[in-house]
Amino acid sequence: AQSVTQLGSHVSVSEGALVLLRCNYSSSVPPYLFWYVQYPNQGLQLLLKYTTGATLVKGINGFEAEFKKSETSFHLTKPSAHMSDAAEYFCAVSPSGGYQKVTFGTGTKLQVIP
Amino acid sequence: DTGVSQDPRHKITKRGQNVTFRCDPISEHNRLYWYRQTLGQGPEFLTYFQNEAQLEKSRLLSDRFSAERPKGSFSTLEIQRTEQGDSAMYLCASSPGEGTSYEQYFGPGTRLTVT
Repeated sequence: AQSVTQLGSHVSVSEGALVLLRCNYSSSVPPYLFWYVQYPNQGLQLLLKYTTGATLVKGINGFEAEFKKSETSFHLTKPSAHMSDAAEYFCAVSPSGGYQKVTFGTGTKLQVIP
Repeated sequence: DTGVSQDPRHKITKRGQNVTFRCDPISEHNRLYWYRQTLGQGPEFLTYFQNEAQLEKSRLLSDRFSAERPKGSFSTLEIQRTEQGDSAMYLCASSPGEGTSYEQYFGPGTRLTVT
């Protein structure tokens, strides 16, 4: 069984400030972890993924996330928020290897204040 | 690579009617997934195909729902006797086979409104 908890359904940051979106997961097997972004009335776009190897993962648009097994966390960060980052962000987990049924969190809506 | 496409993008129907949605995955992807997303929630898994074989169905997929992928390419999701609770965004995703990149590529979704 696997699950994802995203802390904070809404996060507001000022333009230029650090973005931190929190994600904790539960998985009975080594997980693959993902962050997706969704703009209004659109599908999901992959920001970054962790499968194996380096635990600090860099993605598109300046985002990165660190897999911390001991904390079962995969928090998403960006050093400096841009207005275009305003969107909803979903953390997701799937079992490693084989068929990948993905379980999504409930999402965090990021607001960027000018 | 034209991405995953879904048709229609929006569908308004009356309760009790049947609706069918289509998904065209990225051409070389042999895995295809359907998800449902309601307001304020993340996508919830509905079903998964590898080529033409439907390998898993969520218990969310009641007997009013049926999905097919007859030739291992496009897929259809049909909802019979729609109910207001079926109103949601229906998302399709595809991914390459095992041993390759593991992320799923999502289409833009079909928004269903049942009145």
